Amino acid sequence: GAGVSQSPSNKVTEKGKDVELRCDPISGHTALYWYRQSLGQGLEFLIYFQGNSAPDKSGLPSDRFSAERTGGSVSTLTIQRTQQEDSAVYLCASSSRRGGTEAFFGQGTRLTVV
Amino acid sequence: AQTVTQSQPEMSVQEAETVTLSCTYDTSENNYYLFWYKQPPSRQMILVIRQEAYKQQNATENRFSVNFQKAAKSFSLKISDSQLGDTAMYFCASVSGGSNYKLTFGKGTLLTVNP
Repeated sequence: GAGVSQSPSNKVTEKGKDVELRCDPISGHTALYWYRQSLGQGLEFLIYFQGNSAPDKSGLPSDRFSAERTGGSVSTLTIQRTQQEDSAVYLCASSSRRGGTEAFFGQGTRLTVV
Repeated sequence: AQTVTQSQPEMSVQEAETVTLSCTYDTSENNYYLFWYKQPPSRQMILVIRQEAYKQQNATENRFSVNFQKAAKSFSLKISDSQLGDTAMYFCASVSGGSNYKLTFGKGTLLTVNP
């Protein structure tokens, strides 16, 4: 596609439910990143994919968080048993190679856990 | 590990004037890149300008320029002839040119351009 696409744009879920957030990167971009942005905060790194592999998932805050990428393209971030502190904007970005190259961002998914 | 610090949570400027946003960083790498991203209310992160650490010349993109002081690990953004559309959150970020690919962001500066 022309840009990074994320869905849904907004998600309201009840505490304890599971949610899936989707990211469609720019076609051909091998690197894919997930970040979390809490209100008034900067961007917190969650996980990085190179192709379908995740060399660094050290930013995932707990084992309730997982992510996968298939076909070197679409990525899904899953949050199980959501908690109120999971409320944030989840941003996805992709780039054409590691390090130094502009990362293109999606518009994010605003997750609200009630 | 890389760290990025933006010490100005909020700034304001009058339309057509010039404003400078501050950023300092810390890295043990010799090869790295620095960026300024803009995030308007639409949430879309947009690259404003980038600087390769090995280049001494400061990067410039139209009304946006940087003052890159490598020894001081400072990377400030100057916006000239500020426009209302420049109102946004501005994030400074760094990434290593080597195997550490995490784009590390500062906490951001909210810039408001007043008419």
